[in-house]
Amino acid sequence: GAVVSQHPSRVICKSGTSVKIECRSLDFQATTMFWYRQFPKKSLMLMATSNEGSKATYEQGVEKDKFLINHASLTLSTLTVTSAHPEDSSFYICSAPRQGANQPQHFGDGTRLSIL
Amino acid sequence: GDSVTQMEGPVTLSEEAFLTINCTYTATGYPSLFWYVQYPGEGLQLLLKATKADDKGSNKGFEATYRKETTSFHLEKGSVQVSDSAVYFCALSPFDAGNMLTFGGGTRLMVKP
Repeated sequence: GAVVSQHPSRVICKSGTSVKIECRSLDFQATTMFWYRQFPKKSLMLMATSNEGSKATYEQGVEKDKFLINHASLTLSTLTVTSAHPEDSSFYICSAPRQGANQPQHFGDGTRLSIL
Repeated sequence: GDSVTQMEGPVTLSEEAFLTINCTYTATGYPSLFWYVQYPGEGLQLLLKATKADDKGSNKGFEATYRKETTSFHLEKGSVQVSDSAVYFCALSPFDAGNMLTFGGGTRLMVKP
């Protein structure tokens, strides 16, 4: 079964709305989680690294104020797309590695965000 | 920076055909290499991995060998099935499997009965 749960799976909302996406590790603690964005028929691009108890590390070109990341506990990271616009429509995917050397990452099922 | 290049799709094959999806990478040091699969409407699943040169990852009939001399990690399967239809992503991680991943562009595989 799934070890990383991502919610919601699909969101459709009006322009200007803020949308929160949750990523939970179900049976392990994750001090680090990763947020990716996937454009249609394109690859996944790393947006940011979410660090439990500290600020997220954003990749170049990703707006920190647009994509707010909070990692308040060892099992939960949230991505909030603030004042979303149609160009923010995309597929967002989180991943979390188990702790320990060379542990694989587990991916959530993704969230399809559609901004009208 | 690190990068991964894989063949563009879609790749269309008949059932029981041989599959090769090419993947090459650019990275400093000794990255770990992965193949992920994304079935329609689902998230990514790890298919196989290799963490050092000459390692062969294998799973569900798929194989890939870490070739440092050619910086490649080609995915192969001897006989594909309709259920293998999906998008396949080659990826690397600079340190180990638990770190951020750099993905290739993905290759859509369509297997016809």
